This record gives sequence, structure tokens and C-alpha cells, in this order.
Amino acid sequence: ETGVTQTPRHLVMGMTNKKSLKCEQHLGHNAMYWYKQSAKKPLELMFVYNFKEQTENNSVPSRFSPECPNSSHLFLHLHTLQPEDSALYLCASSQAGSVRSPLHFGNGTRLTVT
Amino acid sequence: RKEVEQDPGPFNVPEGATVAFNCTYSNSASQSFFWYRQDCRKEPKLLMSVYSSGNEDGRFTAQLNRASQYISLLIRDSKLSDSATYLCVVNQGGKLIFGQGTELSVKP
Repeated sequence: ETGVTQTPRHLVMGMTNKKSLKCEQHLGHNAMYWYKQSAKKPLELMFVYNFKEQTENNSVPSRFSPECPNSSHLFLHLHTLQPEDSALYLCASSQAGSVRSPLHFGNGTRLTVT
Repeated sequence: RKEVEQDPGPFNVPEGATVAFNCTYSNSASQSFFWYRQDCRKEPKLLMSVYSSGNEDGRFTAQLNRASQYISLLIRDSKLSDSATYLCVVNQGGKLIFGQGTELSVKP
């Protein structure tokens, strides 16, 4: 059983909608991540939070807005998305400061923008 | 040069075959290394951490060559269930960099 849970599993939204993706980790980690994976493409890092502070924004458009209220929860707020934003969005956590700490992924939200 | 680069694949092998994947990394100061497995339309799952002396877990063997800056994954006695994409991940200064993945298809 994964220690990182994401909701919803699937999401279909129109370009004018506003929705949020949620991630929760039960592993006691202090770093959380959002990744995007488009069809047949490698994982793209979007945002990194260490100890609730955003430490990386990988040139992500402002229509994606992350929020990290505490080290166990991470949100990705979506608004006015484009069809090319359709992808699998993966949340992950790790223990920052430990070079041997791997990423643990949630099972992802498959997003379709119509 | 990409920070982390993997064999392009896909690899199509019969059941029982031995197959090896390579992954090269550009930053000699990279600190730790991992192999992940990703099934179609699912999240990546950690397969193995790679230690400097090389390590083995059942049919899977991972090796690290710091001098040549590559890591490898060897799968012996391939099973149909090994079919997946294998991702190489390198920790560079606290940042985890993913390779593009190598697809493996094991056929009966």
C-alpha cells in the first residue's frame, strides 16, 4: 500500500473550470513534489516543497498554483487550463536532506482538459 | 548532453532471457542513484537503490561505475511481468533527475 495518496484518480474539466488536486503523505517525509507526465514523455518536475516552503518552480505556467499547508499535504489548484495540460499528475514525497531517500509516488491523477 | 540519459529501447526479449539497461549521468558529483519501474498508466515504483559496491535483489542486479558515470540494471530470467518502463534516477545536489525511461517487453 502506498504511503502517498492522491485524489481524485481521474478528472475531466473544461477550460474555464477551477479544480484542485490533493495529495497526502503518511510517511513522515518533509519534502513533497508535483510531477507532470504527458503521454510517451518523461516525467517533468513542476514544484518542490521542503518543510512547507516552495524551493523549486520549474517554469510552470501560473494556471497551476501549488499550496502546501503542512509537510503532509500538498494541493495543486488548476484554473483556465489548456487541452495540452491533459496528463498524469503525480505527487511524491521524500526525506529532504537524506541523499539516499528515494521518492515515493502517489498513484496519480489522470487529468483530461476538454 | 542530457543530465541523465538511458538506453533508448524498446527492448523486446523472450521469457527467460537476461537483459541489461544502461544509464549515464553528466554530473560527477551525483550522490545517489535509483532504478524505478513504471507500468503503463501507473505511477513509478522504486525497484532498487544503487549502492557503490553494486547490489542484488533476487533476479535484479544494479551496478554503479563512478569513473565512467553510469549505472546499470541487469535482469536475469525475465518474466512476462517484468514488462514495464525502467527509469533511472540520479540525485544531483538534492535534486532528483529522471531519465527518459527504457521500455522492456518480455514475450512468451
